[in-house]
Amino acid sequence: EVQLVESGGGLVQPGRSLRLSCTASGFSFGDYAVSWFRQAPGKGLDWVGLITSKTYGGTTQYVASVKGRFTISRDDSKSFAYLQMNSLRTEDTAVYFCTRGFNGASWTGASWGQGTLVTVSS
Amino acid sequence: QSVLTQPPSASGTPGQGVTISCSGSSSNIGSNSVNWYKQLPGAAPKLLIHSNYQRPSGVPDRFSGSNSGTSASLAISGLQSEDEADYYCAVWDDSLNGPVFGAGTKVTVL
Repeated sequence: EVQLVESGGGLVQPGRSLRLSCTASGFSFGDYAVSWFRQAPGKGLDWVGLITSKTYGGTTQYVASVKGRFTISRDDSKSFAYLQMNSLRTEDTAVYFCTRGFNGASWTGASWGQGTLVTVSS
Repeated sequence: QSVLTQPPSASGTPGQGVTISCSGSSSNIGSNSVNWYKQLPGAAPKLLIHSNYQRPSGVPDRFSGSNSGTSASLAISGLQSEDEADYYCAVWDDSLNGPVFGAGTKVTVL
């Protein structure tokens, strides 16, 4: 069974950093792209970014609002993906979801974790 | 304001059908395939339809997707109480170079 579990969320002050982790099991992690999505309280879904599999170059893409502040990485040996968030803003407050794509380059959230809440507030 | 336009709500009685629309443009729905997600209250989203009309394993055939030009639709037939949820359309946007979502449609089973 495909499982994705996010961790690392919490309360952080504006301007500070936080790193989210996503641990995967039940599939060959290195063969798939990982996307991060977020959902602000009471709002809809937004894509944050993705990292392709090594076969597709391990490249990253980000939504404009987080480019230069957020970094997605992966450790295929441990079946982990990470979302490093720097210079956090109040508008980054959201539940962050880790997802697996259909293949090594797919952005589609074919499987989702349960999410982790990040609250940016002073 | 979302790039894709969905009605905020839809409703029907058990056994009825509902259709949710998703309107976009030539840079998204007009040139890429659409996904639909279902989100129950307090839960993570779940992929319902991908590649315009494909159902992942386990999704009942009561759910069907279609698209035409720059619009897509999700049809739910034989409404059941467990269909009460928020539904989101999503598609890659070539101009924004990333996927975009509709604001979501809340389906209520009366």
